[in-house]
Amino acid sequence: GIQVEQSPPDLILQEGANSTLRCNFSDSVNNLQWFHQNPWGQLINLFYIPSGTKQNGRLSATTVATERYSLLYISSSQTTDSGVYFCAVGTGNTPLVFGKGTRLSVIA
Amino acid sequence: NAGVTQTPKFRVLKTGQSMTLLCAQDMNHEYMYWYRQDPGMGLRLIHYSVGEGTTAKGEVPDGYNVSRLKKQNFLLGLESAAPSQTSVYFCASSSQGTLWKLFFGSGTQLSVL
Repeated sequence: GIQVEQSPPDLILQEGANSTLRCNFSDSVNNLQWFHQNPWGQLINLFYIPSGTKQNGRLSATTVATERYSLLYISSSQTTDSGVYFCAVGTGNTPLVFGKGTRLSVIA
Repeated sequence: NAGVTQTPKFRVLKTGQSMTLLCAQDMNHEYMYWYRQDPGMGLRLIHYSVGEGTTAKGEVPDGYNVSRLKKQNFLLGLESAAPSQTSVYFCASSSQGTLWKLFFGSGTQLSVL
């Protein structure tokens, strides 16, 4: 099956700093999503981005499908950005396979 | 619009007991999923359903059963709970109409003693 690797596993930032999270995957996909799990455990869908670039406020994501990776950018980080960020991939309507996540801590 | 609702939110079982987790969605999604989350493991798929009356195994199906008698509900059952099933369980749903974006419930924290 598809393998998904996320890096770094842990990241500590000062408030206001920028960061880049990476997701590598082992096979061709046409479904890639980024999620944020807040400290209370809630999973929020950030982006559906099988290819190209999208932006939503301070967050943006880029997927280069031909090279099998995706990047999540967080600019001007805030303490509310803390939590775990997951990348999940799949093909069409097959169930998504999740990476192990990047745990982000933003310190005031 | 409630989205995906899971009940209960917390449960403690003794080894060998049985229980059922309920997931309900009001978005008319065709697909529904049960994942478990363990520390450092990400989310792993237990079972899923592509429509009313259908179920399929995921990555870690052993010890669990599921049923999808109605389109809006997806039940996860543990017939004889084991300590290894201590985990956080998430239900999710998706639809071709929303580009297969996954929408999650708030999770159930299950402890098996």
